[in-house]
Amino acid sequence: EDQVTQSPEALRLQEGESSSLNCSYTVSGLRGLFWYRQDPGKGPEFLFTLYSAGEEKEKERLKATLTKKESFLHITAPKPEDSATYLCAVQGEYGGSQGNLIFGKGTKLSVKP
Amino acid sequence: EADIYQTPRYLVIGTGKKITLECSQTMGHDKMYWYQQDPGMELHLIHYSYGVNSTEKGDLSSESTVSRIRTEHFPLTLESARPSHTSQYLCASSDYRDGYTFGSGTRLTVV
Repeated sequence: EDQVTQSPEALRLQEGESSSLNCSYTVSGLRGLFWYRQDPGKGPEFLFTLYSAGEEKEKERLKATLTKKESFLHITAPKPEDSATYLCAVQGEYGGSQGNLIFGKGTKLSVKP
Repeated sequence: EADIYQTPRYLVIGTGKKITLECSQTMGHDKMYWYQQDPGMELHLIHYSYGVNSTEKGDLSSESTVSRIRTEHFPLTLESARPSHTSQYLCASSDYRDGYTFGSGTRLTVV
């Protein structure tokens, strides 16, 4: 069964304190791994897509990496405006998910000034 | 600019009323989805569609129904709203290559 587990559930950082969020996954043939940012009361906003192990993508203070079993979202020198819930999702090639994205429960990031 | 639109943004309605949440996308995507999300909680897939006249139930059982008569339009209907239906409803669409594009959501409160 396709599954996504994100850790930690919540993370509190001081402004400028770099850290990483983890997304572990099991899927029958990875078609893509996706990172989203969600602010309270809003829909998730697309950040990155990763397709194969070893791939990396960057956007401002965020960098996403992918291995065969997990993905990391690295946040370098975060600012308070980076506070949000970060969602990870996978899309499998085969199996019961029928190509639909399987979402994790998210990591709630709080960055204090 | 291509996008996905949900209306209304907020809705407060009495128990027993019939409601329809609207979702439209201008990207020509075949796949569309409805998710339910309580505050601070995870996304739950309640309906999806792979194209016109195609609808399927998602992982979370829901009393709502959906229709897909046009590619760009995927409305969700509750025949008789109850307080247990109070939640945020998110619509999304995708093509077959990339991830989902989400709307801003409808926050529904049933009193």
